[in-house]
Amino acid sequence: DAGVIQSPRHEVTEMGQEVTLRCKPISGHDYLFWYRQTMMRGLELLIYFNNNVPIDDSGMPEDRFSAKMPNASFSTLKIQPSEPRDSAVYFCASSLTGDNQPQHFGDGTRLSIL
Amino acid sequence: AQSVTQPDIHITVSEGASLELRCNYSYGATPYLFWYVQSPGQGLQLLLKYFSGDTLVQGIKGFEAEFKRSQSSFNLRKPSVHWSDAAEYFCAVGAEGGASKIIFGSGTRLSIRP
Repeated sequence: DAGVIQSPRHEVTEMGQEVTLRCKPISGHDYLFWYRQTMMRGLELLIYFNNNVPIDDSGMPEDRFSAKMPNASFSTLKIQPSEPRDSAVYFCASSLTGDNQPQHFGDGTRLSIL
Repeated sequence: AQSVTQPDIHITVSEGASLELRCNYSYGATPYLFWYVQSPGQGLQLLLKYFSGDTLVQGIKGFEAEFKRSQSSFNLRKPSVHWSDAAEYFCAVGAEGGASKIIFGSGTRLSIRP
């Protein structure tokens, strides 16, 4: 079975540019999560969706960050304009409904803002 | 509020030696607990999970964890580590109220001494 698919795997861009990260969750999963991982702050939950609807975006650092889920098989995380402090690894994860359901992670996008 | 504490930031063990990684949680009811492993350059992979029943849980790659309610702990163990076990390990608890949200600990980095 295909796991969570993220693209691109690596992104290097200059500050001020728009960055779009993409995620395809596991088919049938109705929850989708976006995380950011850095050495300083560890793993942070940015936002999560249920049935394509954003449920909690309290972890989104600022208005420069936005996320959408136009359908059950696709989500994007956009940063506009990007800044060097946004450099991190961004993970997407998906899960089924239920308290005991584990999250399944993609391999992440390593983002470097110069 | 729920929380997870992994008191050891970095542990080094010799290949073939036994391993125990500590995890303490704070949770109001019966918790849903998980251990994940992250190899360099990859996403988090589920090792095992606990939500009810036998307090000793078996996982993949020869790992096991024991739930101890009296100590609010869910320590991860392996009787004999292999060099390929070098990775970052995350303990996590399911958030109260469901919604499939998971609270992650800060992680323990495991190094293997040849």
